[in-house]
Amino acid sequence: KNQVEQSPQSLIILEGKNCTLQCNYTVSPFSNLRWYKQDTGRGPVSLTIMTFSENTKSNGRYTATLDADTKQSSLHITASQLSDSASYICVVREYGNKLVFGAGTILRVKS
Amino acid sequence: NAGVTQTPKFRILKIGQSMTLQCTQDMNHNYMYWYRQDPGMGLKLIYYSVGAGITDKGEVPNGYNVSRSTTEDFPLRLELAAPSQTSVYFCASNRQGALETQYFGPGTRLLVL
Repeated sequence: KNQVEQSPQSLIILEGKNCTLQCNYTVSPFSNLRWYKQDTGRGPVSLTIMTFSENTKSNGRYTATLDADTKQSSLHITASQLSDSASYICVVREYGNKLVFGAGTILRVKS
Repeated sequence: NAGVTQTPKFRILKIGQSMTLQCTQDMNHNYMYWYRQDPGMGLKLIYYSVGAGITDKGEVPNGYNVSRSTTEDFPLRLELAAPSQTSVYFCASNRQGALETQYFGPGTRLLVL
């Protein structure tokens, strides 16, 4: 069964610190991988989209990496801010139109 | 552009009642989706549509129905609500294409008692 596993389940960091969130997937065949940010009580918002041929993609302080051989991705957040507190969701698209969603990592940034 | 809008924001239903969750997008997207999000779980696809008049089942369609009479609107109908349908429902849309960004609405929180 195609799955997307994220770790850690939750994370607390101090404002200004960096952090890295992990995503492992078994989805095959694989089309692309996305990271979303979901604020509490809101819908997910796209951060990055990467195809299998891309190793890294940045969006401001967010940098996503992808290793299609090991089927792993990470999202690195630099110089965290209070507004980064949210759930971060890894989503893998199969060939076709199906998206497989991870359960998300809940990040809390403390002052 | 308002993007993807959903109504209502929150609703309490009694077991056996019916309701329609509304979704509208003003971006002229062909593709529209309904997902449900349960605590600690990834979003699950209920139904999707690739254009007006065309709908198809996702992973968890039982207990739900949809219609797509216009490009803009994609309502989700719950018939005979059950406690298992307590969830947060998200509507989303995107243009055609594997790398197109999917835009989500703010969600409808539904409680079935």
